[in-house]
Amino acid sequence: KAGVTQTPRYLIKTRGQQVTLSCSPISGHRSVSWYQQTPGQGLQFLFEYFSETQRNKGNFPGRFSGRQFSNSRSEMNVSTLELGDSALYLCASSELAGGLNEQFFGPGTRLTVL
Amino acid sequence: SQELEQSPQSLIVQEGKNLTINCTSSKTLYGLYWYKQKYGEGLIFLMMLQKGGEEKSHEKITAKLDEKKQQSSLHITASQPSHAGIYLCGAENSGNTPLVFGKGTRLSVIA
Repeated sequence: KAGVTQTPRYLIKTRGQQVTLSCSPISGHRSVSWYQQTPGQGLQFLFEYFSETQRNKGNFPGRFSGRQFSNSRSEMNVSTLELGDSALYLCASSELAGGLNEQFFGPGTRLTVL
Repeated sequence: SQELEQSPQSLIVQEGKNLTINCTSSKTLYGLYWYKQKYGEGLIFLMMLQKGGEEKSHEKITAKLDEKKQQSSLHITASQPSHAGIYLCGAENSGNTPLVFGKGTRLSVIA
């Protein structure tokens, strides 16, 4: 089985722009979660989608949004980029939503905001 | 909200030595996960612990969850350069909450 894929792997944007990141989960997985990783804050939860519905949302401003498609692929969007949005964005997929499900992580998208 | 504290923040060990990384929670753990991350890459699942007193091993890595389910330790025996990376613990405090992660422990193994 192919693993979790994320595109693009690297991205450079300027302040004020918007960006869309994509995540394709492992085949058969219906849950996709997104995380932001920075040196200062570590790994922080953004949101989780299951069967096209957002199940959980982390403590991030409304500039961060996401969606999931019927094939379980997910996108996250960040509008009006700020310098502090520079980070590694990771997505993870699991078969089911809820607790005690192993999450498989993608390689991440490294976003640099100039 | 739940917080996880990992110690130490970084560790340099000589190849062949044993080491332990700790993860302490501010709340009772519903499930505790250990992941390994190579710099700038995704996380690789190592182990999941749920029951108090539970211990799991994979190759030379052993993880334990204490009886009160508020602390976990990860022990590596006879470390190798392939063990180098960042070790992260992640936890759930109920079945419907997302994972919360510690800040990570950066492990370097020198010959």
